[in-house]
Amino acid sequence: QKEVEQDPGPLSVPEGAIVSLNCTYSNSAFQYFMWYRQYSRKGPELLMYTYSSGNKEDGRFTAQVDKSSKYISLFIRDSQPSDSATYLCAFMFSGGYNKLIFGAGTRLAVHP
Amino acid sequence: EPEVTQTPSHQVTQMGQEVILRCVPISNHLYFYWYRQILGQKVEFLVSFYNNEISEKSEIFDDQFSVERPDGSNFTLKIRSTKLEDSAMYFCASRPLTGGSNQPQHFGDGTRLSIL
Repeated sequence: QKEVEQDPGPLSVPEGAIVSLNCTYSNSAFQYFMWYRQYSRKGPELLMYTYSSGNKEDGRFTAQVDKSSKYISLFIRDSQPSDSATYLCAFMFSGGYNKLIFGAGTRLAVHP
Repeated sequence: EPEVTQTPSHQVTQMGQEVILRCVPISNHLYFYWYRQILGQKVEFLVSFYNNEISEKSEIFDDQFSVERPDGSNFTLKIRSTKLEDSAMYFCASRPLTGGSNQPQHFGDGTRLSIL
């Protein structure tokens, strides 16, 4: 079983749609959960960062963590063409020097 | 907003040559990282660096790789004798010491390394 599984897509949605992006993980030692957005030829840009089960909202973005099911989600409301990018889930252990373990990324295209 | 800066944006090098990739982390950050992303693959951890020494490295980070913080602002990754399979995007990241030990990392836009 892979440590992190993320559907690579591509996912194509019309402008204004609600987008749901998901990752599953197998390592119960992961304590911190992140979503990064990566535009073509750019570095990962931090979108959401959380460490507990439940929901965290920031504008049009909601991150959801279910530690019991080892499942995290990112929801994008009222999606815009500018949201077209690759979305990476990332995980971190507690303590130590905190390397990130990334998913493969999901390519999202929002068309007008 | 402060950002991580990487130079050059694209480096083309002959196989077997040495290459140095440069990064200027965010100024109050004290933990530094290098990651690699081969085309079409996931972002992979290479090495973390704190207090002027390597704190963790992956199996990818073999004897051909080294990191250095030569002054108060730069953080470099050196590949001594490049191989074709070193072709990838290399990302530098940093995070602060303050605010708890588990602050998220902020990434630069990467250096695309092409080995011929």
